[in-house]
Amino acid sequence: DAKTTQPTSMDCAEGRAANLPCNHSTISGNEYVYWYRQIHSQGPQYIIHGLKNNETNEMASLIITEDRKSSTLILPHATLRDTAVYYCIVFNNTGNQFYFGTGTSLTVIP
Amino acid sequence: KAGVTQTPRYLIKTRGQQVTLSCSPISGHRSVSWYQQTPGQGLQFLFEYFSETQRNKGNFPGRFSGRQFSNSRSEMNVSTLELGDSALYLCASSRNYNSPLHFGNGTRLTVT
Repeated sequence: DAKTTQPTSMDCAEGRAANLPCNHSTISGNEYVYWYRQIHSQGPQYIIHGLKNNETNEMASLIITEDRKSSTLILPHATLRDTAVYYCIVFNNTGNQFYFGTGTSLTVIP
Repeated sequence: KAGVTQTPRYLIKTRGQQVTLSCSPISGHRSVSWYQQTPGQGLQFLFEYFSETQRNKGNFPGRFSGRQFSNSRSEMNVSTLELGDSALYLCASSRNYNSPLHFGNGTRLTVT
């Protein structure tokens, strides 16, 4: 039931911005976009979420297109510790369950 | 503030046995969800509890069950273990419906 499409892998130079895209063309009007990341052998870590407007916190920025069919997670200054699998998730608020896709494996290169 | 705690961290069982996994949510969080993660299927939703009631269930056989106690702690049980049940089992808690999930580091179950 995955509702999101992400590139399988990406590389980013250390210190540069990492821009991770996500397509969610079937998203409903009341569904949120969430981003999590998972470092090997750890549980997924919450990053950010949004509904319509762009959001920013201490970790990242989330840019959602006006038609809500896609979004981009931005890590402004990537570090080696940002190497992880990043999941873009559409939240199904009718059942409080998250549909995780296959995610994007981000490698930050020194 | 303590995070989500899952015990045990690692577990090895043989086919046919049963297993119980434990999860202590973040203090004040009343919703607890369970997920199974395998290399082939990724992260899949098992079930979610809120105030001791199962509110939602994923597409898993009845061998997978869970419960939540009055203090919000949760357990999941898998009976008649199969080799395919080998996975990382993740517990997540949230304060309310529609709040971000906070995950524990999981229990890695190996069935031999």
